[in-house]
Parts: sequence; structure tokens; C-alpha cells
Amino acid sequence: DSGVTQTPKHLITATGQRVTLRCSPRSGDLSVYWYQQSLDQGLQFLIQYYNGEERAKGNILERFSAQQFPDLHSELNLSSLELGDSALYFCASSAPGQHYGYTFGSGTRLTVV
Amino acid sequence: GQNIDQPTEMTATEGAIVQINCTYQTSGFNGLFWYQQHAGEAPTFLSYNVLDGLEEKGRFSSFLSRSKGYSYLLLKELQMKDSASYLCAVRPYNTDKLIFGTGTRLQVFP
Repeated sequence: DSGVTQTPKHLITATGQRVTLRCSPRSGDLSVYWYQQSLDQGLQFLIQYYNGEERAKGNILERFSAQQFPDLHSELNLSSLELGDSALYFCASSAPGQHYGYTFGSGTRLTVV
Repeated sequence: GQNIDQPTEMTATEGAIVQINCTYQTSGFNGLFWYQQHAGEAPTFLSYNVLDGLEEKGRFSSFLSRSKGYSYLLLKELQMKDSASYLCAVRPYNTDKLIFGTGTRLQVFP
């Protein structure tokens, strides 16, 4: 157990629907990062939150949004889902200045049918 | 922006040594990371380099040359459980985010 908790582990939904993925960071970590990993693709950075505020934005679609709550857990909302959104979605957390990068959660596998 | 290149696939034999290369172009740089990822699982941290040179950690070592934009991960005494994808990632200057390459899938054969 890495200490980063993601729920649900698996999600199957239909095109056009909306889903919410949840992430709880390791205790003490203030930053949360969201990544998308499609089949045979690398990890694509979506967005970072730090202590409740958006810190950096990557290749995140307008249909996707995220937030980080006062208890530091984060949610990634995916709407108007398309088949191409099927992927593994990873959340990671880090503490300021740490030299070992991130700690990843076990991911949510989203399948859009 | 950042551009990170790694070989797509490599194969090696149990007990052997394998070197996985990573080249990067970035407008600013604040560290290079290697992660291991087994299929369908979360990436796990292997190593971090920010200065030129070799960092050794057990069977795994990582090397960085900032002037050449080049890193490699060296795996010694390969075991079957080392079959996985190995991800090279760069942390751009003045950010916390990591930009990942597409990864190198390593298969270890008996």
C-alpha cells in the first residue's frame, strides 16, 4: 500500500455519461497530480493541485475538471465521455521538495462503452 | 517544452545486465527520474538524478549527463520479476510536475 488511495478501481460507463474519480493523498502530502495512461501510451500529465489551489495544467480536455478539497483529497470529473477516454487514470501525491518524485495510487481503470 | 525518447522494447536474459537509455530535450531541467511499472499497476520510484554522474542502489543504477541530455538505467543480475516497463521522467525547472516518456517494455527470458 503506497498510502495514496484511489477509488473506484474499475469503472464501466456509457458514452455521454459523467464520472467522478477520487484520490486521497499520502498523509502530509499537499500536492496531488492526475495522469492519464491510455493503452500503449505514456503517462500524460493532466493537472496538479497544491493545498487546494490549481498549480499546473497539462493536456486536460475542457470536458474534464478537477478540484482539491480542504481535507486535501481530490476529485477528477470526466463528462460527455467518449470511447477514447477509456484509460487508466492515476493520481499521485508528493511533499514539497522531496527528491523521489511522486507516490502513485493504484489507479482507476475507466472503460467507456 | 519537453521531448523524451526511450526505446519501445528490449529483451534480456535472466542473470544478464541491461541498459535502458533515455534522451531528453527540455527548456529547463530540475531532475530526472526512473520509475518501474508492471502491467496494469502503479509506477513505483526507482531513482533520481539531478547532478551528473552515477547513482547506485542495489541492482539498479542510474546515470545522468545534463550537457548531453542523456540518462540510462542499468539493471544488473536480471530476474524474471524485472519484466516491466521502465519510465524515464523529467521535472522541468521551477515546477513539481513530472513529464514522462512513453516507457521501455523490458522482457526477461529464462
